[in-house]
Amino acid sequence: AQSVSQHNHHVILSEAASLELGCNYSYGGTVNLFWYVQYPGQHLQLLLKYFSGDPLVKGIKGFEAEFIKSKFSFNLRKPSVQWSDTAEYFCAVKDSNYQLIWGAGTKLIIKP
Amino acid sequence: DAGVIQSPRHEVTEMGQEVTLRCKPISGHNSLFWYRQTMMRGLELLIYFNNNVPIDDSGMPEDRFSAKMPNASFSTLKIQPSEPRDSAVYFCASSFLQTGELFFGEGSRLTVL
Repeated sequence: AQSVSQHNHHVILSEAASLELGCNYSYGGTVNLFWYVQYPGQHLQLLLKYFSGDPLVKGIKGFEAEFIKSKFSFNLRKPSVQWSDTAEYFCAVKDSNYQLIWGAGTKLIIKP
Repeated sequence: DAGVIQSPRHEVTEMGQEVTLRCKPISGHNSLFWYRQTMMRGLELLIYFNNNVPIDDSGMPEDRFSAKMPNASFSTLKIQPSEPRDSAVYFCASSFLQTGELFFGEGSRLTVL
């Protein structure tokens, strides 16, 4: 069965630092990939998604992610983080049964 | 579109009481999902429906939990009787099943005393 790994459970950065959050899934084939963000006390919102085409995907709020098929990875990046990026970030993969398989999430804290 | 609408936003109840959570999915979406989120267990899929039919309820914790989707615009998640360990935020989400992209409601925060 498909599984998703997010390697960092907690990340602490200072404002203006660059961010990269890792996400790996267990097996290939055609996949739909997602990053969701959950701000404190709020619901999950879509940051960006990959279905096909250009493997470098741009999302909202300056985030981007790169799909590397050979590495089964879909890492999230942002060149310069802000205090308002403090949130939990979830990677997810759509499996063959159409369910989303979720990573455990990465809690990101940005120090002002 | 108003997005996925859940009610109530907050519910505080006593152990043993029945709890009913409600969800209105985005119009036109053919799938609906119920999730539970806690600090200890993270995000858990409880059940999902496709075209109003329950497809996978393997995440439903036990017989105290039940979910229904009588039509394309309404779903309920019922807990009877409720227990303190059911305290969590319950999210409803809807989607077009083929894409996998979920749209979440704002959640129902349940506290069972």
